[in-house]
Amino acid sequence: EPEVTQTPSHQVTQMGQEVILRCVPISNHLYFYWYRQILGQKVEFLVSFYNNEISEKSEIFDDQFSVERPDGSNFTLKIRSTKLEDSAMYFCASRQGLNTEAFFGQGTRLTVV
Amino acid sequence: AQTVTQSQPEMSVQEAETVTLSCTYDTSESNYYLFWYKQPPSRQMILVIRQEAYKQQNATENRFSVNFQKAAKSFSLKISDSQLGDTAMYFCAFKGGGTSYGKLTFGQGTILTVHP
Repeated sequence: EPEVTQTPSHQVTQMGQEVILRCVPISNHLYFYWYRQILGQKVEFLVSFYNNEISEKSEIFDDQFSVERPDGSNFTLKIRSTKLEDSAMYFCASRQGLNTEAFFGQGTRLTVV
Repeated sequence: AQTVTQSQPEMSVQEAETVTLSCTYDTSESNYYLFWYKQPPSRQMILVIRQEAYKQQNATENRFSVNFQKAAKSFSLKISDSQLGDTAMYFCAFKGGGTSYGKLTFGQGTILTVHP
């Protein structure tokens, strides 16, 4: 069964450093998303991406964040200068069409120290 | 903006019993989708069941069923014959049918523990 894969599963970084979280969505999917979940809290929408551009973003997704689909298969989330409060689980998701199921990756746990 | 509320932070149930998790939501849209996701300790997000708002019939997936009350904006999940593997965090989620580009809005989650 096709699946969304995320790497790495766990990343530890120092405050102020840049991190790139990687995702490989399911190959025929057209809509891509990043969500984050701070430990013990709810899952929050960060950004959606369609047709090679951001289609919607939340208030959390400020100038420190960017997304890219550099080669038609990977979908990346970059955090330019990490803060302690960026520590969270980051989930990538994709869907084929707007009314189809969203498939989630297994998540990347980001720890900022 | 849509909001999703799960008022039960934690629930517990004995194995083989039935449990119901509550969810309410607020929206001005008439066409939308509702979901229940399961997040086990591995933290993977797994779709349990979905409901289209235009369908009056409640969705069912094996031991999982929903009670969708559109007028009351309520969407509860019933788990029958609970199993130890059902122990997880459960999230209710909303997806608008308009131009939201498919983003999901999640509730706060309910931790379900199934006891042997």
